[in-house]
Amino acid sequence: SQTIHQWPATLVQPVGSPLSLECTVEGTSNPNLYWYRQAAGRGLQLLFYSVGIGQISSEVPQNLSASRPQDRQFILSSKKLLLSDSGFYLCAWSGARVNTEAFFGQGTRLTVV
Amino acid sequence: RKEVEQDPGPFNVPEGATVAFNCTYSNSASQSFFWYRQDCRKEPKLLMSVYSSGNEDGRFTAQLNRASQYISLLIRDSKLSDSATYLCVVGGSTLTFGKGTMLLVSP
Repeated sequence: SQTIHQWPATLVQPVGSPLSLECTVEGTSNPNLYWYRQAAGRGLQLLFYSVGIGQISSEVPQNLSASRPQDRQFILSSKKLLLSDSGFYLCAWSGARVNTEAFFGQGTRLTVV
Repeated sequence: RKEVEQDPGPFNVPEGATVAFNCTYSNSASQSFFWYRQDCRKEPKLLMSVYSSGNEDGRFTAQLNRASQYISLLIRDSKLSDSATYLCVVGGSTLTFGKGTMLLVSP
């Protein structure tokens, strides 16, 4: 069966520090991968999605970036965090077919102080 | 118009009640529709897909009206464990999530 791992679960980082969140998927090949952010009291916002290695689409311009160095690995990064980057970051995967449901990792709760 | 719009909530209902969630979407070319459930401080989890013919899973019934661009979720005989936020999700090139409607079921 497919599983998705995301870490760390909780992170407190100072303003201006770098960020690296990692997500890996097991049990499937060539998944579509997604990074979402959920700010307090708000809906899920799609940040990046990837349909293959090295292929990244950005939905919202910001100081975050994403990379997909391997088929089942998706990384969210920032060189300098802002206070507004605080939120609940969720990695998700879906099948390669369009319009299939997505399955989420357990999320990383990031607080920038 | 927001891409996916849901009742703002929260809905407070007693155990055993029937509760209905409504959702509208703006993109008429949308191809797939889902309801997700999200518990407090947890990740969203797929509750059920929504098909044009309507579908039922135990106490949960989902309906889709493509002409009106409207999706619904009905929960019958509410349980305490149904307390969560329910997210309406619409698929096109990617999945678009509504903000969710919180449900609180009380004894």
